[in-house]
Amino acid sequence: QQPVQSPQAVILREGEDAVINCSSSKALYSVHWYRQKHGEAPVFLMILLKGGEQKGHEKISASFNEKKQQSSLYLTASQLSYSGTYFCGTEAGANNLFFGTGTRLTVIP
Amino acid sequence: KAGVTQTPRYLIKTRGQQVTLSCSPISGHRSVSWYQQTPGQGLQFLFEYFSETQRNKGNFPGRFSGRQFSNSRSEMNVSTLELGDSALYLCASSLAAREYGYTFGSGTRLTVV
Repeated sequence: QQPVQSPQAVILREGEDAVINCSSSKALYSVHWYRQKHGEAPVFLMILLKGGEQKGHEKISASFNEKKQQSSLYLTASQLSYSGTYFCGTEAGANNLFFGTGTRLTVIP
Repeated sequence: KAGVTQTPRYLIKTRGQQVTLSCSPISGHRSVSWYQQTPGQGLQFLFEYFSETQRNKGNFPGRFSGRQFSNSRSEMNVSTLELGDSALYLCASSLAAREYGYTFGSGTRLTVV
């Protein structure tokens, strides 16, 4: 039930954009996105619900394609603070969240 | 407002021993989930508790168990430890996961030698 994330790692220069994808083989009720910095706990970014709208704040947004059971996280004009590992978590209606293996994002000056 | 508190932060145990990890959720959060995090495997779901009842369980052997108390605090127990159990164990609590997501604790780093 673990979703598949791609890419596994990406290196960006400040100001560049990135897209992280997450796909599941199961029909999903919701998709969560979290960011974990080295040595810290994962931090909740946003949640997308089935039938809901695309979410976003500032330069980080996400979409959810219910038909394909796919979600994408968009990071625009990346900043150094965006560095970390991004995890998507998928919920298929049972109140338990399964996470992908993560995408390591590194932003360099 | 206090966050999710996990104790202890670090633990070293010997193969064959058992261990108990503790998690205190944010006040008012009744749902507590446990995850095992290892390099390359990401976060693996262990179980989820809500109002003292285990609602969901991941694909882990029976050596992994947990419980939740009436004050929503949760414990996780691993018996007969194996070297492969070395990992960061994360606890996450939620008020309403589909609205606010989960808040994670800083984890307990378990090393089995």
